Amino acid sequence: KAGVTQTPRYLIKTRGQQVTLSCSPISGHRSVSWYQQTPGQGLQFLFEYFSETQRNKGNFPGRFSGRQFSNSRSEMNVSTLELGDSALYLCASSSRLTLSGYTFGSGTRLTVV
Amino acid sequence: TQLLEQSPQFLSIQEGENLTVYCNSSSVFSSLQWYRQEPGEGPVLLVTVVTGGEVKKLKRLTFQFGDARKDSSLHITAAQPGDTGLYLCAGALGAGGTSYGKLTFGQGTILTVHP
Repeated sequence: KAGVTQTPRYLIKTRGQQVTLSCSPISGHRSVSWYQQTPGQGLQFLFEYFSETQRNKGNFPGRFSGRQFSNSRSEMNVSTLELGDSALYLCASSSRLTLSGYTFGSGTRLTVV
Repeated sequence: TQLLEQSPQFLSIQEGENLTVYCNSSSVFSSLQWYRQEPGEGPVLLVTVVTGGEVKKLKRLTFQFGDARKDSSLHITAAQPGDTGLYLCAGALGAGGTSYGKLTFGQGTILTVHP
């Protein structure tokens, strides 16, 4: 079956702009999580959605937001971009509520100039 | 505050050598996962361990979860160049699957295996 699909793969934006990233989970997976990966901080949890509801949120400013649609596809939005937002943004999907692992997409590489 | 301390950060070895990567925390995790990530790609799940003392084997890789569920190790036997990559441990806090998507990742170990 198809894996987790993230679009676009690469993005270059200017400071102050906003950006929307998309994630299509594995068919049947209802949980979608978002992570930011940088060389300095590693992988940090942004938020998680399940059945269109945000169930968990990491320690990121309000400029980072997300949503999930009824087909489980998810988007994350970053407003008023800062240079420090340059990172690889990863989404991961899971089918279960319990302790299984997650399937990650290939990520969106965002560069803010 | 880094909840999961992973060591070593870098490992450069020759093909055929053995190695161990450690993941330690003062927190108790309901499960711990190991991922491998290639440049430009997302992490790929290798294994999930959930029971204290659990040992899982995946070909030449052996994963162990500490008895107190605070630490884990990954041991690779007879490393090959194809094992090169970034290895990440990630813990889920919260019993009964209540971590709700949140994994706490270690900083990662960059492994290079030279032919």
